[in-house]
Formats: sequence, structure tokens, C-alpha cells
Amino acid sequence: EIVMTQSPATLSVSPGERATLSCRASQSVSDNLAWYQQKPGQAPRLLIYGASTRATGIPARFSGSGSGTEFTLTISSLQSEDFAVYYCQQYNNWPPYTFGQGTKLEIK
Amino acid sequence: QVQLVESGGGVVQPGRSLRLSCAASGFTFSGYGMHWLRQAPGKGLEWVAAISYHASDKYYADSVKGRFTISRDNSKDTVYLHMNSLRPEDTAVYHCARTAIAGFAHWGPGTLVTVSS
Repeated sequence: EIVMTQSPATLSVSPGERATLSCRASQSVSDNLAWYQQKPGQAPRLLIYGASTRATGIPARFSGSGSGTEFTLTISSLQSEDFAVYYCQQYNNWPPYTFGQGTKLEIK
Repeated sequence: QVQLVESGGGVVQPGRSLRLSCAASGFTFSGYGMHWLRQAPGKGLEWVAAISYHASDKYYADSVKGRFTISRDNSKDTVYLHMNSLRPEDTAVYHCARTAIAGFAHWGPGTLVTVSS
């Protein structure tokens, strides 16, 4: 099973600033990596797939990069609606699909 | 518009069984694999099970293998999760999701299962 590790666990950023979230895989997942945003009481929302492709309707301020074992989600200018929990997920080797433990993005 | 709606959650005693349903609409259900995922209270996301579009292939997380069974009825556009021998650690919101080329683009809102005596 591929273990996904996200850092930091909590990130405090001011609105309008840039946020950088990291995700590491225990072995290479190529570019088969997705990012999700989850707000309280809601289902996760797919933001990025293929490590860097924005899903339908996702604003351009969200960008993903990386391949192999190291990945980054960048939010270029934080809006109030961006404060949420973010998860990475690999779909290169399954079953099982595996998720990181999440990064909580909070207002500074 | 793709819509997935789960039902069947509730409070159940340890060792008992429960069946969850996920009704799909807005797409050709019989053409897609389907998944169940769960999220324990205050915890992260865990993939639980998957079923191919024709139901011939089924996959399970180790944590539920031998206790949970995924099935589908393409005539009813519905996927099921049969959960036996439930444990307190199975307490979670259970979501169904549709297979995509990459990632899970469509999720249901989830149904809460609480395993407690």
C-alpha cells in the first residue's frame, strides 16, 4: 500500500497571500495524483488530477505540480472561500486508493 | 447533471448488519464503475470498495474485506454496500463516488453510520 503524507498538518495564511501545501508518496505514483478540497459538512471536491490539471470549474488560482513522490498544491491568492481542508490522493497503484491525512488551511 | 444520493445509514449495534444504497442519476449508470469511501468523525478519507460497471470485478480495502460486500443493480441505477459484523471503528460518513479517468469528480453527500451499543 502506498502511504501518502501531507505537510504541514495546519497552515495559517492571510487572505490574499499564497499558500503552498505538500504531499509525499512512499513510492512513485508517476503523475497519478489528485487534490481535493473539503469544507465542513460537505463531500470532497476534486480540484486537481494528473498532478497538475485543474478539474472542471476550478479557478486558475489553484495549481498543482510534481511527479513521482513529491507534489505541491499552490493557491496563488487566498480567497475567504478557500479556507478548508485539503487532501491528496494517489490512483497509480490500487487497490487501495490512498489519501493523505489532510492539511487544514486556516485564516491567519 | 450527475447526482449521487446515499441512504440507509443509522445507529447499529456492534456485530450487526446494515445495507447502504446510493441512487445515481444524470448519467448512464451502467457505463461507470462505482466506489464507496468513508470518513470517520474528525478524521481523513478512506477508500472502502469499488465495483466495475458490469459488476464482475470488485475490490475492497483490507479493513473491510470479508465483512463488506459491494453490489449494484443497473436496472435501478443503484449501488449498494452490505456491511456485516460491524465494529465501532466502522463509524463514519459513507460516500459513494463515480469512477473517473483520474480522481473522484462526483461524490454523494454521504450517510452517517454509527456503530455503538
